[in-house]
Amino acid sequence: QKEVEQNSGPLSVPEGAIASLNCTYSDRGSQSFFWYRQYSGKSPELIMSIYSNGDKEDGRFTAQLNKASQYVSLLIRDSQPSDSATYLCAVPLSGGYNKLIFGAGTRLAVHP
Amino acid sequence: EAGVAQSPRYKIIEKRQSVAFWCNPISGHATLYWYQQILGQGPKLLIQFQNNGVVDDSQLPKDRFSAERLKGVDSTLKIQPAKLEDSAVYLCASSFGQGATYEQYFGPGTRLTVT
Repeated sequence: QKEVEQNSGPLSVPEGAIASLNCTYSDRGSQSFFWYRQYSGKSPELIMSIYSNGDKEDGRFTAQLNKASQYVSLLIRDSQPSDSATYLCAVPLSGGYNKLIFGAGTRLAVHP
Repeated sequence: EAGVAQSPRYKIIEKRQSVAFWCNPISGHATLYWYQQILGQGPKLLIQFQNNGVVDDSQLPKDRFSAERLKGVDSTLKIQPAKLEDSAVYLCASSFGQGATYEQYFGPGTRLTVT
């Protein structure tokens, strides 16, 4: 059973700090990795995708990928209360047709 | 560009009743997915279509769930008869293609409560 694991949280950070969200995956053949943000009562919203080892930056978000360690992370700089949400890590099953395996999500709380 | 559309947004039914959900993907997206999200968990894929063909339905409880995408555009997911454990949010997503690099975009979801 291929798995994606995340700490459930809550991760509590003060406004303006860096929030670090982590994800590990078991499928060594995985080539694509996605981060979704999900506000309470809403559907998942894609915020980052990463395909190569290293860092990918988009505004206040940075995704980091280390395929050797089977680890992907999301950094949120200058965290705002509006970033408070659940962050879902998703990994397509290798050999499949884009079947996403989701972690259970990490709940982030940014307090003023 | 319009996003993925779903209806209804909320549905409450009694166990053993039937229910149907509708999804219209982003224009031009050939791949359509139905996910089930139980409270506190990540979404779980139920069925994936490429145009009007089924690519993966390995986790669809076929004794009670069915889905179709007859013209390769919109899709319907049906549950008959519903059980209490079917209470969840049903999410439809679409992507331009079925390769692992294609990003999936989700609709607003249908929240189903079975009493």
